[in-house]
Amino acid sequence: EAGVTQFPSHSVIEKGQTVTLRCDPISGHDNLYWYRRVMGKEIKFLLHFVKESKQDESGMPNNRFLAERTGGTYSTLKVQPAELEDSGVYFCASSQTHWGFYEQYFGPGTRLTVT
Amino acid sequence: AQKVTQAQTEISVVEKEDVTLDCVYETRDTTYYLFWYKQPPSGELVFLIRRNSFDEQNEISGRYSWNFQKSTSSFNFTITASQVVDSAVYFCALNVDSNYQLIWGAGTKLIIKP
Repeated sequence: EAGVTQFPSHSVIEKGQTVTLRCDPISGHDNLYWYRRVMGKEIKFLLHFVKESKQDESGMPNNRFLAERTGGTYSTLKVQPAELEDSGVYFCASSQTHWGFYEQYFGPGTRLTVT
Repeated sequence: AQKVTQAQTEISVVEKEDVTLDCVYETRDTTYYLFWYKQPPSGELVFLIRRNSFDEQNEISGRYSWNFQKSTSSFNFTITASQVVDSAVYFCALNVDSNYQLIWGAGTKLIIKP
């Protein structure tokens, strides 16, 4: 079974440009999450999808970030326009939908560098 | 508010030594889950263990063991007879019953020297 995949693995863009990150969850996982680790800081939650619906987007830093999950499959996270402080590693995770809480399986992350 | 503290920023030991990674958590919720993840140099976060707040039994999996103590709000991780392949950053994380987001510690970088 394929794990969570993320594309690209690394992106270098200039301040003011737009970048779109993609996440493909494990097949059959209804829950999809985005997290971010800014250099030297803790991993922080960004948002949570259940199928195509945003369940919790309390961690999204501002309206320059837009996440979508069309059809409840893969998800994209767009940053527009990118700022220097957006640099970091963006992780995607997925988990089953089940009573209780199940472990989240993570992708390898996308390292975003804004110059 | 919930919080996870991993006070050890970096630990370096010689191969075959035992090493314990500390994790202290804060929450007022009575139902919660604790996790450990491993991040090897390749970058992905690898799930190691999940524990719920009602199960204080210690867990052993091969060379790995976990000590959960509610009295001290700790969930420590011990690697016995460490190996070079154990070198990684280890994260402790907390989830409370009210939502799905994970709250992370800062991570402990573990270096195992041959």
